[in-house]
Amino acid sequence: DQQVKQNSPSLSVQEGRISILNCDYTNSMFDYFLWYKKYPAEGPTFLISISSIKDKNEDGRFTVFLNKSAKHLSLHIVPSQPGDSAVYFCAAHPMNQGNLIFGKGTKLSVKP
Amino acid sequence: DSGVTQTPKHLITATGQRVTLRCSPRSGDLSVYWYQQSLDQGLQFLIQYYNGEERAKGNILERFSAQQFPDLHSELNLSSLELGDSALYFCASSVVKGGSWETQYFGPGTRLLVL
Repeated sequence: DQQVKQNSPSLSVQEGRISILNCDYTNSMFDYFLWYKKYPAEGPTFLISISSIKDKNEDGRFTVFLNKSAKHLSLHIVPSQPGDSAVYFCAAHPMNQGNLIFGKGTKLSVKP
Repeated sequence: DSGVTQTPKHLITATGQRVTLRCSPRSGDLSVYWYQQSLDQGLQFLIQYYNGEERAKGNILERFSAQQFPDLHSELNLSSLELGDSALYFCASSVVKGGSWETQYFGPGTRLLVL
């Protein structure tokens, strides 16, 4: 049973526009949520995180929104750049545990 | 560069064989995590070590084992390999024990192909 779900395997966006990547979760015992970006032949790179007590966190072009009632989070990238093309993984940190639980990823393609 | 190193980068072996994957965490990080990524899947947590001791186990098969050495590097041993063990294996490290929040930094991974 997947606790973290990314229902869109891929997303294509025009350069300069907004990219919105979505993630749903089923477990209320997560205390942090994270987004990682992964390029081919590289490991995941930490992008941004949000505490479960917040509803928004912003870092430059990247903003993560958390809707606890809907058990949904999203990553907004504005403006999107071709270098943002990668696979984006949503991950959740269970309280009192060390490991992360990952979604299957969404492949973002930003076209010039 | 995350500061986490993994060797080898690629590994090709046959069914029934045993392999060892190696990970060196970032300087100062005491926790090491191993994850497996099969085709079109998310990363699945296998096992965590903190300062030489096993801290948590995930979906790790009995054929797999790991350890963390006094210099904090870690090895993941995979034995009696099957075709389905072909995957990317990632190591991550973080400062704290786990349980409290700390960003995990990932290595470049080892791609294992079992023929």
